[in-house]
Amino acid sequence: NAGVMQNPRHLVRRRGQEARLRCSPMKGHSHVYWYRQLPEEGLKFMVYLQKENIIDESGMPKERFSAEFPKEGPSILRIQQVVRGDSAAYFCASSPPGQGGDTQYFGPGTRLTVL
Amino acid sequence: AQSVTQLDSHVSVSEGTPVLLRCNYSSSYSPSLFWYVQHPNKGLQLLLKYTSAATLVKGINGFEAEFKKSETSFHLTKPSAHMSDAAEYFCVVSDRRAGGSYIPTFGRGTSLIVHP
Repeated sequence: NAGVMQNPRHLVRRRGQEARLRCSPMKGHSHVYWYRQLPEEGLKFMVYLQKENIIDESGMPKERFSAEFPKEGPSILRIQQVVRGDSAAYFCASSPPGQGGDTQYFGPGTRLTVL
Repeated sequence: AQSVTQLDSHVSVSEGTPVLLRCNYSSSYSPSLFWYVQHPNKGLQLLLKYTSAATLVKGINGFEAEFKKSETSFHLTKPSAHMSDAAEYFCVVSDRRAGGSYIPTFGRGTSLIVHP
């Protein structure tokens, strides 16, 4: 059973460009979470999604950030018009249905660098 | 509201000596508590989890943690450090929200340094 997969592992963008980060949850998992980790800090929750639904987006910045988890395909975290402050590691986690996310399994992360 | 405080940003030990990484939490209800380890440029790996069963929780790689409700602590220990234990460790508290989902709060992390 493959673990949580994220791609790309490293992404470089110039200011003003768009960044798209992908997350494929573990097989059988229907809950996806996105987190952001700034240097020397813990992970900060951004958004919690189930298939075709955003359950909790209380950690998402109000502008430029969006997330989706379509019926088919990976979950996408989209950052429009990136700025230098968006440079961080973005982690995705998944959990199986029925637990509400009690135990989450993390992907290797995407490291975004904004030039 | 829930919060986590990892009391040490860095802990330095010699190989073969005990490890203690401290964590205090606050939570409105009976939380789930976790320790995760992150090696450089890697994702997070679950070490262990407490969910109101036994207060002493055994995890992988010889780690264990003890839940002490009276002290609101969940310290991580290991009897004998190995060089491969050098990594960043995160304490996490997770409350069940009104909608039934768990949204975790992470501590800032403790960097474990192991000297030969």
